[in-house]
Amino acid sequence: GAVVSQHPSWVICKSGTSVKIECRSLDFQATTMFWYRQFPKQSLMLMATSNEGSKATYEQGVEKDKFLINHASLTLSTLTVTSAHPEDSSFYICSARHRTSGIQYFGAGTRLSVL
Amino acid sequence: QQQVKQSPQSLIVQKGGIPIINCAYENTAFDYFPWYQQFPGKGPALLIAIRPDVSEKKEGRFTISFNKSAKQFSLHIMDSQPGDSATYFCAAGNSGNTPLVFGKGTRLSVIA
Repeated sequence: GAVVSQHPSWVICKSGTSVKIECRSLDFQATTMFWYRQFPKQSLMLMATSNEGSKATYEQGVEKDKFLINHASLTLSTLTVTSAHPEDSSFYICSARHRTSGIQYFGAGTRLSVL
Repeated sequence: QQQVKQSPQSLIVQKGGIPIINCAYENTAFDYFPWYQQFPGKGPALLIAIRPDVSEKKEGRFTISFNKSAKQFSLHIMDSQPGDSATYFCAAGNSGNTPLVFGKGTRLSVIA
């Protein structure tokens, strides 16, 4: 089946530093990738939608300068949390939409802890 | 109109029971209805999906029932096992690059 690799799975950083999360579709091309944030025992909250080669579309309330998204190719998207603060601590999950089937596959998630 | 309402919020069944999770949507443009299973600390995994041209789809112990006129769909898990204990999310979407709309999730516990 289609695999989405997300790295790192867990990161701890100091307040004020930046963290980059990488999302790769390993065996398929993704027309669109999505980034979600999930709080404990809650549903997935869509942060942004990105299409290869174009600027990401951010959901209302998500700071685009805080959460930088780069979609460099049909298999790679990155999310950079800039100047991270403790309130940014969360579980971040990426998702890739299969170019042919349209099915959305998810990465394993990244747990970010900002001290 | 973009919401997907999911119930119940949590569910406890005994091993071998048949938990049923229900979802309802408003947007008639939706034409794709997947279910995802998520274990703690992991990303959601696609379980099964259905399109409006059929009323039921079965894959192993998992069955989706779809009622187009009522704009509702449900997940049934046959012969449930403790390993099925997870959070289940229904979602709805349509053709194009628009993101899926997710329900709030159902935490299922299957007790031996």
